[in-house]
Amino acid sequence: NAGVTQTPKFQVLKTGQSMTLQCAQDMNHNSMYWYRQDPGMGLRLIYYSASEGTTDKGEVPNGYNVSRLNKREFSLRLESAAPSQTSVYFCASKSADSPRPSTDTQYFGPGTRLTVL
Amino acid sequence: DAKTTQPPSMDCAEGRAANLPCNHSTISGNEYVYWYRQIHSQGPQYIIHGLKNNETNEMASLIITEDRKSSTLILPHATLRDTAVYYCIVRVRYNTDKLIFGTGTRLQVFP
Repeated sequence: NAGVTQTPKFQVLKTGQSMTLQCAQDMNHNSMYWYRQDPGMGLRLIYYSASEGTTDKGEVPNGYNVSRLNKREFSLRLESAAPSQTSVYFCASKSADSPRPSTDTQYFGPGTRLTVL
Repeated sequence: DAKTTQPPSMDCAEGRAANLPCNHSTISGNEYVYWYRQIHSQGPQYIIHGLKNNETNEMASLIITEDRKSSTLILPHATLRDTAVYYCIVRVRYNTDKLIFGTGTRLQVFP
């Protein structure tokens, strides 16, 4: 049981290049999330997917697109990378909402460290 | 949405209890308090959560004041491996999918 996995672990891009960050979970979770964390800051939500086939914007969606490929996989795409997107990107997942909202905790992947030159 | 306020940093001697405070004075009646921690730039890790009663699990205890305007996370016997940034988060009202992370408290456990 690997939990939440992310690829790649590190990436360097030039301004204007595109790339896709991959995330997969093997916990049969319905909800998946993408966050970014800038140095010395907390995490900020980029996009999330409450279930397969749905996606919604978070706090900082500009410059990103996402795809919920299936229940396991949720990818984040940068179409034209900018230096302001230099950050650490975390993917997370959690089980479906239940009548007891206190049960929803998010499980995080190890992160992708992205540098845009 | 309730915001949280935490001290930016704290120190604790190994083996002693670490008490991490959090203010959430605008919390609503149906909002839960969650605690996560982040060790050395790894992905955040869930610790504990509560609504109004005190909670305890194998990692920590959570004490919530009667008026729910503040809480304290207690690590009863801190170890060097507990050195991390600790985030107090109030779950966003009417939206079950979002966690709003602040800047947290950096806890340094020293020998």
